[in-house]
Amino acid sequence: DIQMTQSPSSLSASVGDRVTITCRASQSISRYLNWYQQKPGKAPNLLIYAASSLQSGVPSRFSGSGSGTDFTLTISSLQPEDFATYYCQQSDSTPRTFGQGTKVEIK
Amino acid sequence: QVQLQESGPGLVKPSQTLSLTCTVSGGSISSGSYYWSWIRQPAGEGLTWIGRIHTSGSTNYIPSLKSRVTISVDTSNNQFSLKLSSVTAADTATYYCAREDYHGSGNWFDPWGQGTLVTVSS
Repeated sequence: DIQMTQSPSSLSASVGDRVTITCRASQSISRYLNWYQQKPGKAPNLLIYAASSLQSGVPSRFSGSGSGTDFTLTISSLQPEDFATYYCQQSDSTPRTFGQGTKVEIK
Repeated sequence: QVQLQESGPGLVKPSQTLSLTCTVSGGSISSGSYYWSWIRQPAGEGLTWIGRIHTSGSTNYIPSLKSRVTISVDTSNNQFSLKLSSVTAADTATYYCAREDYHGSGNWFDPWGQGTLVTVSS
């Protein structure tokens, strides 16, 4: 199985901050990497697919980059509604695997 | 716009079989070429993919649950289902169904159902 490791596990930030979350795969997954946002009590919501493609309806302050084993999710200017937990997920092979999540909290 | 909705018992006794159904609305489960997946999340923990079924009927399961899991599709009712046998407290989680969309650039889960909490307890 491909292991996905996110860092940090949590972070505190202020509205307007630039936030970066990293995701590392245990082996190369090309660009088969997706990012999801999950708010408490809600299902995850797709933000970024194929490493850097923005899902329709997702604000442009979200961006993704990377290939191979190292990936990044960036929020250019954190908004109040962005406080949530973020997960990466690989679609290179089955079983599909997710990172452990990064919780973005208010400073 | 396709929507998914999970349904099933919220409480299951240890050693019994957990059975959940995901109803697809706004589109036919047979149209296009998608995978239909189940994912679970224990309270306060991360997401674990359980398995999927293709519109052709082929299935894939996570190895750690493979001996206990069956995913099936009912095209006449536009539903797919999860059965997990011999449950223990460790199977207590919120269970999500999701469509896995795939293209040349990869696969991704979208949309998701709202999730249903299943508690394993006597």
